[in-house]
Amino acid sequence: GESVGLHLPTLSVQEGDNSIINCAYSNSASDYFIWYKQESGKGPQFIIDIRSNMDKRQGQRVTVLLNKTVKHLSLQIAATQPGDSAVYFCAENEGGGNKLTFGTGTQLKVEL
Amino acid sequence: EAGVTQFPSHSVIEKGQTVTLRCDPISGHDNLYWYRRVMGKEIKFLLHFVKESKQDESGMPNNRFLAERTGGTYSTLKVQPAELEDSGVYFCASSQGIITSAVQETQYFGPGTRLLVL
Repeated sequence: GESVGLHLPTLSVQEGDNSIINCAYSNSASDYFIWYKQESGKGPQFIIDIRSNMDKRQGQRVTVLLNKTVKHLSLQIAATQPGDSAVYFCAENEGGGNKLTFGTGTQLKVEL
Repeated sequence: EAGVTQFPSHSVIEKGQTVTLRCDPISGHDNLYWYRRVMGKEIKFLLHFVKESKQDESGMPNNRFLAERTGGTYSTLKVQPAELEDSGVYFCASSQGIITSAVQETQYFGPGTRLLVL
């Protein structure tokens, strides 16, 4: 698969539990952050974004938290479902520009 | 509305051959981006078009890679000659409108082209 050779951290959760995926970003000048979900054989799918003038944003079953002091981003998924199983990437607009810099990714596995 | 589409989905070629990847962005999106993930690495930016103009090509690895977007619609990425280290997944993304320094717009990704150079 596409993740071969890329040693992804893995988060295993029980169906129905909440999931928290963490990400550390690198550039303090970045002002836009996105979470993408990638299922096997597909491209990254937009989940939620947040700008640097916010510290929390909520979507449907997902919440993104931004801590600019420690350059940390997290994605919370409520009531995790089997369909949430995928690799999750955080991305930042490096230095405030247009190109995105991606994190390594976290493999989320939902156990029944 | 159709999303970003890419062709082909898979390509297997021999070292030294040429391969051309195509991306059709979401209709009306002025911004088009190419990214790639080579084996064992993160997804990396290659370049950014605004309409038919190259806005940022700082991620292009070398002169064996040529990207075009004639007419400001679809884009092609040609690798000539291909090397073993070019193997990976090539993603295209698009976003709407002209980027200003104050607004960052969501980039929507295509399914990718999986390139294998033997």
